[in-house]
Amino acid sequence: GQQVMQIPQYQHVQEGEDFTTYCNSSTTLSNIQWYKQRPGGHPVFLIQLVKSGEVKKQKRLTFQFGEAKKNSSLHITATQTTDVGTYFCWLFYNQGGKLIFGQGTELSVKP
Amino acid sequence: DTEVTQTPKHLVMGMTNKKSLKCEQHMGHRAMYWYKQKAKKPPELMFVYSYEKLSINESVPSRFSPECPNSSLLNLHLHALQPEDSALYLCASRLAGRDTQYFGPGTRLTVL
Repeated sequence: GQQVMQIPQYQHVQEGEDFTTYCNSSTTLSNIQWYKQRPGGHPVFLIQLVKSGEVKKQKRLTFQFGEAKKNSSLHITATQTTDVGTYFCWLFYNQGGKLIFGQGTELSVKP
Repeated sequence: DTEVTQTPKHLVMGMTNKKSLKCEQHMGHRAMYWYKQKAKKPPELMFVYSYEKLSINESVPSRFSPECPNSSLLNLHLHALQPEDSALYLCASRLAGRDTQYFGPGTRLTVL
C-alpha cells in the first residue's frame, strides 16, 4: 500500500530563518497539494503540483515536486510570525484513487 | 462566494444521543468530503460524495451516517457515538475536474 512520510514533525525557528518541510511517498503520485492550518483553524489550500520536476513560488514560499513524482518540499525563506501553523501535504495516487494527508509539520516562529 | 459553512461550531453529546452535522457550499462544487481530525494529527478522510452519490467510504463505523440531499448540502448523522469519536469534523468541497479543496471551519465534537 501507499505510505507517506512528512518530516520534520516539528520545527522551531527564529524569525528570519528559513524553513523546509518534506513529503515523501513510497509510490508515484498523480499530484500533490500543500495546505496550511493555523492553530485552532482549518486547512487552507496553498498550491497544487502536477508535473514532474515542477517548481512554483508564492512570495517567500517555494514548492517543488520531485522528478520521480514521489516527493515534494515546501521552503519558506525568512520566516515571519505569520507563518506559524501546521503544513500538510495532500497526496493523490493514480492507483486506487487514494487521497492521503501527510502527518504535518508544525512550525513555530520565535520573534 | 468561496465559503464552506458548517454548523454547529461546537457540539457536546452523550453516547445515546442522535445529532447531525451540517455542511453547505454555494460554489457549484460537485465533490464534497467529510474528514475527522484529532488534535496534533492530520485530517482523516471519512466519506466522499461525487455528484451527490457516495463514492468513497473509508471503512467508517455505521454510527456515522452521511447524507447528501442536494449538490449544496452535506450532512453527517451521528448516533451512539463513543468518547473516542470526539474530534474536529471538517467538511470540504471541490469543483469536479479541479482539485483545490475548500475547507469549512469545522465542528468541534465532544462525546461524553
